[in-house]
Amino acid sequence: GAGVSQSPRYKVAKRGQDVALRCDPISGHVSLFWYQQALGQGPEFLTYFQNEAQLDKSGLPSDRFFAERPEGSVSTLKIQRTQQEDSAVYLCASSLESWGQPQHFGDGTRLSIL
Amino acid sequence: GDSVTQMEGPVTLSEEAFLTINCTYTATGYPSLFWYVQYPGEGLQLLLKATKADDKGSNKGFEATYRKETTSFHLEKGSVQVSDSAVYFCALSGGDYKLSFGAGTTVTVRA
Repeated sequence: GAGVSQSPRYKVAKRGQDVALRCDPISGHVSLFWYQQALGQGPEFLTYFQNEAQLDKSGLPSDRFFAERPEGSVSTLKIQRTQQEDSAVYLCASSLESWGQPQHFGDGTRLSIL
Repeated sequence: GDSVTQMEGPVTLSEEAFLTINCTYTATGYPSLFWYVQYPGEGLQLLLKATKADDKGSNKGFEATYRKETTSFHLEKGSVQVSDSAVYFCALSGGDYKLSFGAGTTVTVRA
């Protein structure tokens, strides 16, 4: 079947604009994760959903970051009033369960803030 | 908190050389350990995993053994190919569901 799909693949925005990044997880996967990957670094956890419930948002860097998964499938990560330090690759991952199960990653969205 | 430290790169090798990438971790409890690989222009792919002490994960000629006594999960391959050129990430999943990643090691294999 299809893997995790993210769109857009690339996004360029001016500082202060709002952006929305989409993630389509693997069908049937209960858990969904968002990570932020700065250039030359490993991914850093942002937030976690189990079905439609956001169980952990401790990694979100500020209240400008907001994520949702209203029907327990597709998820959207929104960043309001973007700043240059938001430039990064945003990765979405899904897994069948949560603990100990491998997470399957999408190709990511590369966000550049000018 | 949970953390992973992996060997800094970049690493440049000739084809058929032996590859080792060191990875050590700090975690409470009994984490699951993973190696992910990122080929140029592609997303992260799971390479191998181990869920308990002394487990050996293996895939595509790569191996890593979960060593609780040394808190390590070193990645090895006996004979690399040009197609193994990629960024390799060591990661752990501890008492919760989050993955904690190392900074990544860039490997370049020359023909």
